[in-house]
Amino acid sequence: EDKVVQSPLSLVVHEGDTVTLNCSYEVTNFRSLLWYKQEKKAPTFLFMLTSSGIEKKSGRLSSILDKKELFSILNITATQTGDSAVYLCAAINAGGTSYGKLTFGQGTILTVHP
Amino acid sequence: NAGVTQTPKFQVLKTGQSMTLQCAQDMNHEYMSWYRQDPGMGLRLIHYSVGAGITDQGEVPNGYNVSRSTTEDFPLRLLSAAPSQTSVYFCASSFLGVLTYEQYFGPGTRLTVT
Repeated sequence: EDKVVQSPLSLVVHEGDTVTLNCSYEVTNFRSLLWYKQEKKAPTFLFMLTSSGIEKKSGRLSSILDKKELFSILNITATQTGDSAVYLCAAINAGGTSYGKLTFGQGTILTVHP
Repeated sequence: NAGVTQTPKFQVLKTGQSMTLQCAQDMNHEYMSWYRQDPGMGLRLIHYSVGAGITDQGEVPNGYNVSRSTTEDFPLRLLSAAPSQTSVYFCASSFLGVLTYEQYFGPGTRLTVT
């Protein structure tokens, strides 16, 4: 059974802090890992990572995948109150009868105080 | 494009009632899926489909049925509602291309079963 585990489950920081969110996975026929941000509504897409060691960046957010150790991290630098959200990662299974199946982690609740 | 639409936005059911949550997308996506989201549980996959006429079970399929007669529509049926099915339900869709797995989410349906 495919499994994705995120840590920490919740995190409280102050504006300006840097945070690192973790996502480990056990997925047969692993294809890619996705990161999403969810603010009280539907999740919005942040990154898709397929290759190991290649960092994806978008402004103050960056993410990297380690396919040998089966994990990914999401970094947010100089956090702002608008970064407060639930961050979800999901792994894609691309093999056999589970082709296209996504498994999500539990999410990390990030709270950024002014 | 309307993207992914879900109806209704809110629903209250009594235990034992049945209903169908509607999901439609106008992006010609092959992949469609249903998730439920409960506090602290992330998104859990209920059922998914990689194309018209093809469906498969996710992590938590019991009590739910799906069908995919067209590319556009992927309804989720609750056969006999139970309080344990109180949750927020999200429908999502995506292409199944080699490097294009970004999931597009609908706005969600908040279901309460009393």
